[in-house]
Amino acid sequence: AQSVTQLGSHVSVSEGALVLLRCNYSSSVPPYLFWYVQYPNQGLQLLLKYTSAATLVKGINGFEAEFKKSETSFHLTKPSAHMSDAAEYFCAVSDGLTGGGNKLTFGTGTQLKVEL
Amino acid sequence: SQTIHQWPATLVQPVGSPLSLECTVEGTSNPNLYWYRQAAGRGLQLLFYSVGIGQISSEVPQNLSASRPQDRQFILSSKKLLLSDSGFYLCAWTQGNIQETQYFGPGTRLLVL
Repeated sequence: AQSVTQLGSHVSVSEGALVLLRCNYSSSVPPYLFWYVQYPNQGLQLLLKYTSAATLVKGINGFEAEFKKSETSFHLTKPSAHMSDAAEYFCAVSDGLTGGGNKLTFGTGTQLKVEL
Repeated sequence: SQTIHQWPATLVQPVGSPLSLECTVEGTSNPNLYWYRQAAGRGLQLLFYSVGIGQISSEVPQNLSASRPQDRQFILSSKKLLLSDSGFYLCAWTQGNIQETQYFGPGTRLLVL
């Protein structure tokens, strides 16, 4: 069974500072990993995904994530935070079973606060 | 392009009343469809998924049910709402390939009083 752990339910950074949101996964099959962002009272929007091609994945809004198999991690980073980055971020892993419905298991989310 | 719709956007219902939330997808065919519930501080919990018309899989035992009467329509229902059914309900779709992204609708905020 797959699982995702997001360390830190709340992260606060200053505008212009590095953003680092942590995600560790557990998977019995080669994982497909996703980061989503959710703004208040909205659905989830895909930031980026890892599908076994390049280990460094670039996404929208300047975010990127690096897949590290040895550490079972897929941390999300952005060099310089902007006020508009304030949102909740979710890491997810696919169950890898097409016939099983291609289900995603989500972490509990990290609320990012950006301060002036 | 594909779009996903959910309605209503918000709903306030008394305990014991019935529920029907609707999700429709446009611009694609034979999608996998999903219902999630999001409770404060608890992330997303998968409730149901469907790989085709009339095919529903339940992930957790609960007071809710789901149906897929048409290829691109997914309905979440309850005969009698409980206080614990309050939350933010999200519908999502994907084409089924394991690498494919799940695309989410705007959500329905349900408050049971």
